[in-house]
Amino acid sequence: DAKTTQPNSMESNEEEPVHLPCNHSTISGTDYIHWYRQLPSQGPEYVIHGLTSNVNNRMASLAIAEDRKSSTLILHRATLRDAAVYYCILLIQGAQKLVFGQGTRLTINP
Amino acid sequence: EPEVTQTPSHQVTQMGQEVILRCVPISNHLYFYWYRQILGQKVEFLVSFYNNEISEKSEIFDDQFSVERPDGSNFTLKIRSTKLEDSAMYFCASIRDYNTGELFFGEGSRLTVL
Repeated sequence: DAKTTQPNSMESNEEEPVHLPCNHSTISGTDYIHWYRQLPSQGPEYVIHGLTSNVNNRMASLAIAEDRKSSTLILHRATLRDAAVYYCILLIQGAQKLVFGQGTRLTINP
Repeated sequence: EPEVTQTPSHQVTQMGQEVILRCVPISNHLYFYWYRQILGQKVEFLVSFYNNEISEKSEIFDDQFSVERPDGSNFTLKIRSTKLEDSAMYFCASIRDYNTGELFFGEGSRLTVL
């Protein structure tokens, strides 16, 4: 399974932007980059995914490096409800499962 | 918004007993999954199910585990003889088409084996 590397934890302040990094140097050309988050006592929740181009949705933005070896999830204006564990996951072409790593625990300070 | 529902939310059982966890995936979804998360640990893949058969399973999913879609709506995970180490949160998930990327997870069923 393709591996991703994320910081164990990050901290930010409410109403400030948050940039969550992910390294995936072994990515191959057809692997999708997915981000999920898990709020306390809940199941994982889809955030965003992309292949090559940057992506935006109502929850976040995904910035993908030109060589695709890294990506950054951007929360434009963090709220206390964004405190969660954020997972960066590579979906290998043909695979039909997500392989979760340890993720980044994001703390938001009021 | 459509959601994946799971029952029970919490089950306590004695070691060696059989447990069935139930899930109702989103109605037009085609791929179904069970994941589990032991307290304080990462989310682990157990099994995927497509077209009424298992498409992939992890090494955790041994002969004590089975899945079934008995009536076209429910998706069940059975643990035949529970062990202490089966205590975990079990998440069901579904997706319509893997190219869409968005896997929908339920709220989970907490299993406690005593």
